[in-house]
Amino acid sequence: AQKITQTQPGMFVQEKEAVTLDCTYDTSDQSYGLFWYKQPSSGEMIFLIYQGSYDEQNATEGRYSLNFQKARKSANLVISASQLGDSAMYFCAMREGRGYSTLTFGKGTMLLVSP
Amino acid sequence: DTGVSQDPRHKITKRGQNVTFRCDPISEHNRLYWYRQTLGQGPEFLTYFQNEAQLEKSRLLSDRFSAERPKGSFSTLEIQRTEQGDSAMYLCASSPRGGPNNEQFFGPGTRLTVL
Repeated sequence: AQKITQTQPGMFVQEKEAVTLDCTYDTSDQSYGLFWYKQPSSGEMIFLIYQGSYDEQNATEGRYSLNFQKARKSANLVISASQLGDSAMYFCAMREGRGYSTLTFGKGTMLLVSP
Repeated sequence: DTGVSQDPRHKITKRGQNVTFRCDPISEHNRLYWYRQTLGQGPEFLTYFQNEAQLEKSRLLSDRFSAERPKGSFSTLEIQRTEQGDSAMYLCASSPRGGPNNEQFFGPGTRLTVL
């Protein structure tokens, strides 16, 4: 089974609108972390937001927020007020267990923001 | 610039040749990771170092691949007898010990094309 599932290969949104990128995960660990990264065409992975499994509140970072629904094992990224520079690939990733751990990534969602 | 750096950014080689990539992590980060990303996929874990010790290797890391981090600072990833299937983006990431969420900071990647 896929550990991280991103069901939207591509999403379109108009500038200034909000958009939600879906992510579901699969783990039997009680302690885990969920990450969202942005990858522009240049290739570099840019960290956006983190949610720990024990965090009771949804994470927020500026225009990014993470809609964490633990029982449903979903960690959707919400981008408010989209900007043209938001056009990129977006990856959801999971770290299982405490301490160091490698990241398992989903296949990504391509977001295109139009004027 | 104090981020993760990788060299070269692009490498084109003929099948059967050996290639070596270098990664310089953020200076105070003792953890270093290598990932491989093929077209249309998210990054996949290859190997992990804590200081100079290689603590984890993925099954993706065949015998033709070797990674080192001799002094616990920069790391090299060598691929011997390259194959066309090795064509991918090779990403390096680093993280500090004891970071609040073990966020990994990624470099710009080395794009390998095997002809």
